[in-house]
Amino acid sequence: GQNIDQPTEMTATEGAIVQINCTYQTSGFNGLFWYQQHAGEAPTFLSYNVLDGLEEKGRFSSFLSRSKGYSYLLLKELQMKDSASYLCAVLDSNYQLIWGAGTKLIIKP
Amino acid sequence: DADVTQTPRNRITKTGKRIMLECSQTKGHDRMYWYRQDPGLGLRLIYYSFDVKDINKGEISDGYSVSRQAQAKFSLSLESAIPNQTALYFCATSDLTGGDTGELFFGEGSRLTVL
Repeated sequence: GQNIDQPTEMTATEGAIVQINCTYQTSGFNGLFWYQQHAGEAPTFLSYNVLDGLEEKGRFSSFLSRSKGYSYLLLKELQMKDSASYLCAVLDSNYQLIWGAGTKLIIKP
Repeated sequence: DADVTQTPRNRITKTGKRIMLECSQTKGHDRMYWYRQDPGLGLRLIYYSFDVKDINKGEISDGYSVSRQAQAKFSLSLESAIPNQTALYFCATSDLTGGDTGELFFGEGSRLTVL
């Protein structure tokens, strides 16, 4: 079966750095997405990785290792507004998105 | 105005009632999706459509039906609502042409409560 694993909840301090991991087992691979979702709101796109390596976009970076079935989202200089759930999703061989359950990130002052 | 619009945003109904959630988009995308989200379970795909003549079941289609009235409109119906269909429902669109990544663009969500 297809599976995406990510931690249920993480806590970090304002101004610090946090890394949210995602491991996947899917039927084929056509890219990995990270989305941010504030409580009660729609998910919004953060990043897309299809090749191995690190993609940096401002305070957020996303890393992919296809051989290990592993990705992480790195958030730097954390702000209170970064408190949200972070969803990992993989596009499989049929171009269907397989979603993880999401990681709730709590930022403390 | 939002690119993907869902109506209603909130709805409370009773068991056995028929409910329709509507979605319209101005992004010109061919692909449209209906998801439901429950706490701790992430997003689960109900139905998807790759064009007006193409409708496909997702992983949790039982108890739901859809209609793709036009490229821009995709409606989700609950024929006879039951309490375990209480959830947050999202419509989304995507486009894999022109080198796009397949990124999903979500509507603001429709919160449905079935009593």
